[in-house]
Amino acid sequence: EVQLVESGGGLVQPGRSLRLSCAASGFTFDGYAMHWVRQPPGKGLEWVSGISWNSGPLGYADSVRGRFTISRDNAKNSLFLQMNSLRADDTAFYYCAKGRGDCRNTNCYFDYWGQGTLVTVSS
Amino acid sequence: DIQMTQSPSTLSASVGDRVTITCRASQSINIWLAWYQQKPGEAPKLLIYKASTLETGVPSRFSGSGSGTEFTLTISSLQPDDFATYYCQQYNTFWTFGQGTRVEIK
Repeated sequence: EVQLVESGGGLVQPGRSLRLSCAASGFTFDGYAMHWVRQPPGKGLEWVSGISWNSGPLGYADSVRGRFTISRDNAKNSLFLQMNSLRADDTAFYYCAKGRGDCRNTNCYFDYWGQGTLVTVSS
Repeated sequence: DIQMTQSPSTLSASVGDRVTITCRASQSINIWLAWYQQKPGEAPKLLIYKASTLETGVPSRFSGSGSGTEFTLTISSLQPDDFATYYCQQYNTFWTFGQGTRVEIK
């Protein structure tokens, strides 16, 4: 059974940093691209960033480019999101999602999602 | 950037109703469209990919159609478990979601 479990969320002050993790199991982690998607409480979904199976970046949303960095450790079946210079509008549930399809050409969708971790940016 | 627009934003329906949700892309995305269902407090769940391919395990009352810029998600006979929010997502150029359609009990 595929499982994705996010951690690392919490309350953080504007301008500070936070690192999210996603522990994956139930599939061959190093065979798939992975993504981060966020959702402000009560609002819609926004793709944040993606990374290919061999750590090649698939891109960042304009709203986070230059502040967030995606990475992965295939030996530990883990995905990460380093978030710097956090702002109030980064407040959201952050989901990790597994890609299926040809993610290198962005022709991939997300077949499994974690339950999310809440990041609250507030003073 | 490709924008995705769903309509309606909210839909009131009864059990047994046929329900259709529309998703329009700001430019052609071929058939690179997925649909997700999300219930309160839960992660999104994949329903349909490549515009019309049903994900394994998803009930056959769900169907998708369309290509280019206009797509639809249809639920042929709404069931109690289907009251949720539905999102379309384009994956032709990066990834963009529609704003969501909430299906509520009439």
